[in-house]
Amino acid sequence: AQSVSQHNHHVILSEAASLELGCNYSYGGTVNLFWYVQYPGQHLQLLLKYFSGDPLVKGIKGFEAEFIKSKFSFNLRKPSVQWSDTAEYFCAVNVPGGFKTIFGAGTRLFVKA
Amino acid sequence: NAGVTQTPKFRVLKTGQSMTLLCAQDMNHEYMYWYRQDPGMGLRLIHYSVGEGTTAKGEVPDGYNVSRLKKQNFLLGLESAAPSQTSVYFCASSYPGDSLNTEAFFGQGTRLTVV
Repeated sequence: AQSVSQHNHHVILSEAASLELGCNYSYGGTVNLFWYVQYPGQHLQLLLKYFSGDPLVKGIKGFEAEFIKSKFSFNLRKPSVQWSDTAEYFCAVNVPGGFKTIFGAGTRLFVKA
Repeated sequence: NAGVTQTPKFRVLKTGQSMTLLCAQDMNHEYMYWYRQDPGMGLRLIHYSVGEGTTAKGEVPDGYNVSRLKKQNFLLGLESAAPSQTSVYFCASSYPGDSLNTEAFFGQGTRLTVV
């Protein structure tokens, strides 16, 4: 069965610090990978996605993620975080053409102004 | 284009009461889902539907029932609410027509408290 592991449950950073959130998945075949963000009191929104091609994916608000197939990883990065990036971040995976998306437990990011 | 709309947004139930959560999408998506979100556990799939008239169990289906009588609507029912069902419920939909694009679109969520 597919599963998704997010390494950090809580991260606290100061503004302008660099961010990297870890995500590993367990599935041997081709996968689609996602990062969703949930701002306080809001629903999940897509941050970025990887289906195929360049393993370095750029998303909204300066976020990017790198797919490393050999490590089954899809880590999220941002060079310089802002206070407005305070949110919960979810890594997710599904199979191309499939309908069940599996989510990680989430990482709560708090950025100090 | 409203996307995915959930009603109600908030609800407080007494133990043993029943209720139905409504999810409506206007994107002509085939697939619809109900998730619950609990602290430290991410999103867990309750039930899902791959088309009108079809439903299937997800990871945590016990205590819930669903119906998909119309393509655009997916209802989640609690027949006898329990405190363990206190959670935030999210509906989502996706379109399988393009097998590469399996992005899910989420509703605003329903915060349910069972006392």
